[in-house]
Amino acid sequence: GAGVSQSPSNKVTEKGKDVELRCDPISGHTALYWYRQSLGQGLEFLIYFQGNSAPDKSGLPSDRFSAERTGGSVSTLTIQRTQQEDSAVYLCASSLTQLGNEQFFGPGTRLTVL
Amino acid sequence: AQTVTQSQPEMSVQEAETVTLSCTYDTSESNYYLFWYKQPPSRQMILVIRQEAYKQQNATENRFSVNFQKAAKSFSLKISDSQLGDTAMYFCAFMKSSTGANSKLTFGKGITLSVRP
Repeated sequence: GAGVSQSPSNKVTEKGKDVELRCDPISGHTALYWYRQSLGQGLEFLIYFQGNSAPDKSGLPSDRFSAERTGGSVSTLTIQRTQQEDSAVYLCASSLTQLGNEQFFGPGTRLTVL
Repeated sequence: AQTVTQSQPEMSVQEAETVTLSCTYDTSESNYYLFWYKQPPSRQMILVIRQEAYKQQNATENRFSVNFQKAAKSFSLKISDSQLGDTAMYFCAFMKSSTGANSKLTFGKGITLSVRP
């Protein structure tokens, strides 16, 4: 079956612009995660959705970052007024249930802010 | 808060040899899960192996095995009969297992493994 897909694969934007990154999880997976991978900070958790529960936004670095998950499936991560330090690879993952299950990762979106 | 430490940034191994990647972690939790993920140049993170902290037996998956030392908070990955396709970045990761816990992964900084022909 299809894995986790993300789009776009690469995104180059100018400082100050808004960007939207999309994640299509594996069908039937109730949990969805966003992580950020950057040279200086490694892999960091951003946000977590589980079913219809309120998302855990504890990893979002600033209020310029937001995410939503529509219909319990597709998720969009939005970064407003992008800054150069937002340049990173944004990874999405999904899993069947919460605790201990394998998280399946997408190929990521490489964001470059000029 | 949990921390995961991978102190070796890079390692190299000859094809067909065995290599061990180190990982230590710090937590006050008694129940948790530990993972090793592989990230080849394609960027796709792939699960290599998973260990439940309450299980004393070390997990194995074909050529991959772990040495889990709960008291020492150590979780090393052994790759036997290394293959060229094992060349990748390897991440050690921690997940809480307490009821209601956020199932996010906390990652180490990763180690770049190169397998030489």
